Amino acid sequence: GQQVMQIPQYQHVQEGEDFTTYCNSSTTLSNIQWYKQRPGGHPVFLIQLVKSGEVKKQKRLTFQFGEAKKNSSLHITATQTTDVGTYFCAGQMNSGYSTLTFGKGTMLLVSP
Amino acid sequence: SAVISQKPSRDICQRGTSLTIQCQVDSQVTMMFWYRQQPGQSLTLIATANQGSEATYESGFVIDKFPISRPNLTFSTLTVSNMSPEDSSIYLCSVEGINYGYTFGSGTRLTVV
Repeated sequence: GQQVMQIPQYQHVQEGEDFTTYCNSSTTLSNIQWYKQRPGGHPVFLIQLVKSGEVKKQKRLTFQFGEAKKNSSLHITATQTTDVGTYFCAGQMNSGYSTLTFGKGTMLLVSP
Repeated sequence: SAVISQKPSRDICQRGTSLTIQCQVDSQVTMMFWYRQQPGQSLTLIATANQGSEATYESGFVIDKFPISRPNLTFSTLTVSNMSPEDSSIYLCSVEGINYGYTFGSGTRLTVV
């Protein structure tokens, strides 16, 4: 079945440092989505990437979708303590078939 | 995006008992999804619930253990039956939006003792 690998599992940075998490799928994806889960909270949708090579930005967050539509990354510039949480990528194989496969997530800790 | 009300938010249950989790959506949706998230882990899809038909279960999950109801387009329940400590987890319902990913309920934190 479809597998979505995500690294690193955990990263601890100082406030102001950059952070990147990487996601790799065993199969070509229709789209990839990113979610953030704060400690004790539930996953919250951040963004969806659909096109090959797509790059999207949300303030300090930059999301990329690979040319082959099998890998993706999330980069946070100049982290803040509010960025703390676990970031999950989730791949969808077919846009008309809605099951998402989640990566294991990257837990980000930011020290002030 | 849709707003989902999920309850209970947490419960502590005795082994061998059952717990029913409810999710109410503020709009009509075709499919609702039930996930399990074990502590510090990722989300695993339990089943997809369509209104008017039996739920579709993922590998490793069976209807006898996790019966699901979907009586209308805004509501679903998941029952965790004959619970054991291994069922201690967070259970989440979700719905898919159009162009804005999945919306999740706030989750049910279940501890089985």
